[in-house]
Amino acid sequence: DAGVIQSPRHEVTEMGQEVTLRCKPISGHNSLFWYRQTMMRGLELLIYFNNNVPIDDSGMPEDRFSAKMPNASFSTLKIQPSEPRDSAVYFCASSQSGGLGTEAFFGQGTRLTVV
Amino acid sequence: DAKTTQPTSMDCAEGRAANLPCNHSTISGNEYVYWYRQIHSQGPQYIIHGLKNNETNEMASLIITEDRKSSTLILPHATLRDTAVYYCIVRVRAAGNKLTFGGGTRVLVKP
Repeated sequence: DAGVIQSPRHEVTEMGQEVTLRCKPISGHNSLFWYRQTMMRGLELLIYFNNNVPIDDSGMPEDRFSAKMPNASFSTLKIQPSEPRDSAVYFCASSQSGGLGTEAFFGQGTRLTVV
Repeated sequence: DAKTTQPTSMDCAEGRAANLPCNHSTISGNEYVYWYRQIHSQGPQYIIHGLKNNETNEMASLIITEDRKSSTLILPHATLRDTAVYYCIVRVRAAGNKLTFGGGTRVLVKP
């Protein structure tokens, strides 16, 4: 398996523009997590899904952020409008939620720079 | 999930064992101890987990005290590629349960 695939790897955008980050989880995994990492705040959980359903979005910073999982093999994190303080590395992770579940596998991340 | 306390940073010599401590004094009976690491510019990587017995895999060993209030991750022969931030996480091992990261320990392996 290719692991969790995120795209793009790098994104530079202007303030006010819409940004869409994409994630393809590992096949067969039905839990998906979006994290944000900055120097100041470390790794923060933004939202996670079980079986395509959002379970906890309490980490989503504000209404400018939204996440969807239309099917088991794809998820998006959208920021509209983007602001410079959204600059961070965004990670997607997936795990298998059968029985006790398995460890989470992370993608390589998307480095977002908002100028 | 219970809170964990780790040293901010530590150095170790290449080829020697690296012992990474973690305190989790408020751990409850159904919570597991997980270790992940993050090498620079990469996503976090799972290392090992355990409930109360000591565990070993190809990457590391996990020693959990009898009262389960602390644990130690052991990298038996540290290499330069083990330089990373190591996270100790305590969580209930339930399907789809979230994973919450703290500050971790920044480990620098020196030649």
